[in-house]
Amino acid sequence: DTAVSQTPKYLVTQMGNDKSIKCEQNLGHDTMYWYKQDSKKFLKIMFSYNNKELIINETVPNRFSPKSPDKAHLNLHINSLELGDSAVYFCASSQAGKGYEQYFGPGTRLTVT
Amino acid sequence: GEDVEQSLFLSVREGDSSVINCTYTDSSSTYLYWYKQEPGAGLQLLTYIFSNMDMKQDQRLTVLLNKKDKHLSLRIADTQTGDSAIYFCAEIYNQGGKLIFGQGTELSVKP
Repeated sequence: DTAVSQTPKYLVTQMGNDKSIKCEQNLGHDTMYWYKQDSKKFLKIMFSYNNKELIINETVPNRFSPKSPDKAHLNLHINSLELGDSAVYFCASSQAGKGYEQYFGPGTRLTVT
Repeated sequence: GEDVEQSLFLSVREGDSSVINCTYTDSSSTYLYWYKQEPGAGLQLLTYIFSNMDMKQDQRLTVLLNKKDKHLSLRIADTQTGDSAIYFCAEIYNQGGKLIFGQGTELSVKP
């Protein structure tokens, strides 16, 4: 009965590789988000989608491309990985009109070597 | 501008009350939130308060909002060792649901 799930939980890869992180929510929410948490625990939004439509796109390098095949899924694809991409990436979801309560997944720890 | 600030550390003894403070800048925020993050885990939504409220209580948690001073606090009564975690304050910035987080306050509860 997991609400927001992410795969994989850990991802270790080399610089220059391309990788994807998947997110799924079974809460019936219409909005999904990607956040990045750096080594100092600082959290910053990257993207948000509402009903498969991109509504927030922060200043994120073009190497990051979100994809939402349906409103229950939001995947994050990262091209040409760099050392600075190492972080924990959190997916979240919410339902518009309900206090924007955002429910977070367990996170994906990405380590680029 | 977008800015939410919190003190980085708080240490209390088990059984005492903890008060975690937060200041924010966007006066148009409709909701303000408190999240808890335990080591190696995701963020757990603890509580939130609507901007037209002054106070919200939920069991051991009390949220106080001073909208004039843009100050939010979270009080945890009878703090337990299981409350040790990082607590994040966050505000909603715009209609897109973008959350702006503070740096997080690491709460350490000593037995």
